[in-house]
Amino acid sequence: AQTVTQSQPEMSVQEAETVTLSCTYDTSESDYYLFWYKQPPSRQMILVIRQEAYKQQNATENRFSVNFQKAAKSFSLKISDSQLGDAAMYFCAYRSAYNYGQNFVFGPGTRLSVLP
Amino acid sequence: EPEVTQTPSHQVTQMGQEVILRCVPISNHLYFYWYRQILGQKVEFLVSFYNNEISEKSEIFDDQFSVERPDGSNFTLKIRSTKLEDSAMYFCASARGYTFGSGTRLTVV
Repeated sequence: AQTVTQSQPEMSVQEAETVTLSCTYDTSESDYYLFWYKQPPSRQMILVIRQEAYKQQNATENRFSVNFQKAAKSFSLKISDSQLGDAAMYFCAYRSAYNYGQNFVFGPGTRLSVLP
Repeated sequence: EPEVTQTPSHQVTQMGQEVILRCVPISNHLYFYWYRQILGQKVEFLVSFYNNEISEKSEIFDDQFSVERPDGSNFTLKIRSTKLEDSAMYFCASARGYTFGSGTRLTVV
């Protein structure tokens, strides 16, 4: 079974600075997807960024980028120019690419605080 | 980005009552999913549904739970005889499941 680990329960960053959230995972599959979700106090789950394992190029979405290291099974999220609105819980998630019936496996989350 | 819509946003129910949580997935999607998140904990998979049948379910999804697609658009999760520990956020997702609905906060009192 796949597992996802986020070793940082809490992180903080100064506004306008850069922060990196860590995620590692374990799988025996070769094709899969990795995700970062943001959960603000409203508890809505907002997709931040997605990475397909077969793509070597790291995904980027505006101020959000990932460092995907397939061999190391590592998938970190970098937030540049941090804003107060970035404060939230961030969840890393894994999903097999082999069929749509399979579910997400989520990490325990990292609570990010942004200091003014 | 098309939305997955969930209703109600917040449901308060008495212990022992039945609740139905509703989801309107993105149109033309065929796979549907329900997830649960107890406050302060991680998101847990409940069930996936395809072609009017359960495709996969977790050990959490016992006889207390059921899912159905009563018409062409809604996708429902029914929880019978609710317990205090059923209090959680419940999320629906559809198709590839990248996009989650805004969630229903269920409070059992």
